[in-house]
Amino acid sequence: DQQVKQNSPSLSVQEGRISILNCDYTNSMFDYFLWYKKYPAEGPTFLISISSIKDKNEDGRFTVFLNKSAKHLSLHIVPSQPGDSAVYFCAASANENRDDKIIFGKGTRLHILP
Amino acid sequence: NAGVMQNPRHLVRRRGQEARLRCSPMKGHSHVYWYRQLPEEGLKFMVYLQKENIIDESGMPKERFSAEFPKEGPSILRIQQVVRGDSAAYFCASSPPAVPQNEQFFGPGTRLTVL
Repeated sequence: DQQVKQNSPSLSVQEGRISILNCDYTNSMFDYFLWYKKYPAEGPTFLISISSIKDKNEDGRFTVFLNKSAKHLSLHIVPSQPGDSAVYFCAASANENRDDKIIFGKGTRLHILP
Repeated sequence: NAGVMQNPRHLVRRRGQEARLRCSPMKGHSHVYWYRQLPEEGLKFMVYLQKENIIDESGMPKERFSAEFPKEGPSILRIQQVVRGDSAAYFCASSPPAVPQNEQFFGPGTRLTVL
């Protein structure tokens, strides 16, 4: 049972344009959401997070939006750069103090086109 | 401050052998998590440990897999009598004691290949 779903296995975006990665979840107990970025042969690196008490969090070129009623979140990257080409994992946990495990989606591979 | 260290980076085992994967968390981090990533899949939680304690092992297969995080030394993920289906990338993550809105820091992973 996939509690965190990333329905797009891959996404191609022109350099300089906006990249939008989507994520849906089914567990209404999730209250903390994260995005990780992963390059080949490396471990995931934390990108940005959002608590369920917020609907938006911004950090430089990265913004995460949370729609609790739709159980949907998205990551916006603008402007997209070549170094953004990677696999992006959406993740969620059910305990903001993070004593609970993180549940990951299957990832979306982002290709930034020159 | 060194990041999360995992060794070996690559491990090849024959069916029936044992695999030992090591993880040294970041300095000051007392929480360790192990994840497994199968090809074309996301990361699947396996186990969450604090020093000398297993907090949550709900993602661990019931047989052949065990994990520990001793008072001294790295955390160890042990797979006995490996089978081809154990071939995967195993990632360790660590975090400091629980702080609101904290995140886990991942190591580079160990790629296990079972022949």
